[in-house]
Amino acid sequence: QVQLVQSGSEVKKPGSSVKVSCKASGDIFRSYSITWVRQAPGQGPEWMGRIIPIIGATNYAQKFQDRVTITADKSTSTAYMELSGLRSGDTAIYYCARVDYDGYFDFWGQGTLVTVSS
Amino acid sequence: EIVMTQSPATLSVSPGETATLSCRASQSVSNNLAWYQLKPGQAPRLLISGASTRATGVPARFSGSGSGTEFSLTITSLQSEDFAVYCCQQYFNWPPWTFGQGTKVEIK
Repeated sequence: QVQLVQSGSEVKKPGSSVKVSCKASGDIFRSYSITWVRQAPGQGPEWMGRIIPIIGATNYAQKFQDRVTITADKSTSTAYMELSGLRSGDTAIYYCARVDYDGYFDFWGQGTLVTVSS
Repeated sequence: EIVMTQSPATLSVSPGETATLSCRASQSVSNNLAWYQLKPGQAPRLLISGASTRATGVPARFSGSGSGTEFSLTITSLQSEDFAVYCCQQYFNWPPWTFGQGTKVEIK
């Protein structure tokens, strides 16, 4: 059974960083890449980046290139997304998802609400 | 980057009726188009891939069509659990992946 379980909600101050985790079940880490998507209030989903855990290769959306770091710990099958320089516009639900071989996102985590507020 | 545009932003439909949602790509994505259902507090759910292939466990009342730049998602006999936000996503040219802004299907 494919499961992606994310860490809990966070409240952060502007200018700080947040690190969200995503623990994967099964053989996801050996065979698939993990991607991160966020959805801000009233907006559509926005792709942030992805990692191929088995080799550690990453791709980032240009918009987040300077502020996001995605890593993976193969020993615990956990992926991480760290976003720095937080501002109010980063308030959103952050999701991890498995990328199917064809490229769509077939399984998703439950989401992590990150609130940026002074 | 391929821009995905959905319409309408909100669709008011009565239970039991049919909802038709549209998604347009700024350039051809062939049939590399997915639809997702998003509900508050839940993990997003893949409904359709390949523009028209239902994901495992998705009821037959959900159907997708289209290719190239024009796509649609049709939900027949709307059930209470179908009232949600629906987003399309292209996976023709990735990364980056791009999504539409979503269509909210609400109870009329």
